[in-house]
Amino acid sequence: DAGVTQSPTHLIKTRGQQVTLRCSPISGHKSVSWYQQVLGQGPQFIFQYYEKEERGRGNFPDRFSARQFPNYSSELNVNALLLGDSALYLCASRATGASPSGYTFGSGTRLTVV
Amino acid sequence: GEDVEQSLFLSVREGDSSVINCTYTDSSSTYLYWYKQEPGAGLQLLTYIFSNMDMKQDQRLTVLLNKKDKHLSLRIADTQTGDSAIYFCAESDQAGTALIFGKGTTLSVSS
Repeated sequence: DAGVTQSPTHLIKTRGQQVTLRCSPISGHKSVSWYQQVLGQGPQFIFQYYEKEERGRGNFPDRFSARQFPNYSSELNVNALLLGDSALYLCASRATGASPSGYTFGSGTRLTVV
Repeated sequence: GEDVEQSLFLSVREGDSSVINCTYTDSSSTYLYWYKQEPGAGLQLLTYIFSNMDMKQDQRLTVLLNKKDKHLSLRIADTQTGDSAIYFCAESDQAGTALIFGKGTTLSVSS
């Protein structure tokens, strides 16, 4: 079975632009979460979606938005990019909204804002 | 608020045991996790422990939980060079929707 897949793997954008990152969860997983990992730090929670509804939101500005589709894949959008948005963006999925086995993470999208 | 603290670096020799320590603040966390991140890669779940357990062993990995002191540790027996990576401790938030991660401990294994 394929794991969590994210696209693209790398991306370079200019300040002020908009970006869309994509995630396909493990087959059968209904919950998708997004995390931002700045170099040298642990991942920071951005969003959780379960059954296409937003179930949690971290301390990020409204420039960050996400959605989950009927096939449980997800997109993360970031508008008006800032240099500080440069980071590894990780998507994670799990079977239900509160599965104890934890999340399975993808390899991430490396976003560089110049 | 919720916070997770870890020591930043650990250096060991191949074959020795490694112990990575973590403290957390949210006593209501139901599960606590250890993740491994190799250079340029995502996070790999190593193990997790339910908050009513004191210890969990999984092959070379042993997790110890001191709930009173809110202290979690990960012991890696017979550490190998392939264990060199960043190890993250994480707790689930009060709502159970997010993981709160520490800054990670960089484990360096020398031969």
